[in-house]
Amino acid sequence: DAGVIQSPRHEVTEMGQEVTLRCKPISGHNSLFWYRQTMMRGLELLIYFNNNVPIDDSGMPEDRFSAKMPNASFSTLKIQPSEPRDSAVYFCASSPLSGSGANVLTFGAGSRLTVL
Amino acid sequence: AQKITQTQPGMFVQEKEAVTLDCTYDTSDPSYGLFWYKQPSSGEMIFLIYQGSYDQQNATEGRYSLNFQKARKSANLVISASQLGDSAMYFCAMREVNRDDKIIFGKGTRLHILP
Repeated sequence: DAGVIQSPRHEVTEMGQEVTLRCKPISGHNSLFWYRQTMMRGLELLIYFNNNVPIDDSGMPEDRFSAKMPNASFSTLKIQPSEPRDSAVYFCASSPLSGSGANVLTFGAGSRLTVL
Repeated sequence: AQKITQTQPGMFVQEKEAVTLDCTYDTSDPSYGLFWYKQPSSGEMIFLIYQGSYDQQNATEGRYSLNFQKARKSANLVISASQLGDSAMYFCAMREVNRDDKIIFGKGTRLHILP
């Protein structure tokens, strides 16, 4: 298995531009989480999906952030318009909801976003 | 309110000594899981160990063990015989089963192993 795949690995953009981060979870995993990591705030849960349905988006900072999971193998996190304070590493992670491994999140390598 | 608390922002330990990283949690859900992850300087998140709230015995995985004290709501990670490669950031996390399996992380402890 290729693991959780995130793209892009690095993105540098200018303030005001739209940013789209992508995530492909592990096949068979039906729970998907988006986290943001910064030095000041640590690992913050932004939103998570169970069976493609958003369960809790209370961690999404503001309306500029949106996330979708149109099918079991793909999710996006979009920031529009981007601001310098959005600079962070964005992690996607997936896990099964039941059975063996139900308790373990597998993380992608992260997308490092820099907004100038 | 902070649900996962890691009170040690940084620790320095001599190589080969045992290390205890503290984690306390807060939940009213009787069914939950506790995790530890390691994040080396390369940035990836590596799963280390898991403890379920109903597990009777403390979890162990090689040199890692989880000291689970349910009444105190603590889930400390113990690393025996520390190695230079253990230098990393360590995160404690909790999954609340009856809150739609939400998983949240503490702010982490940076561990430095000294030669």
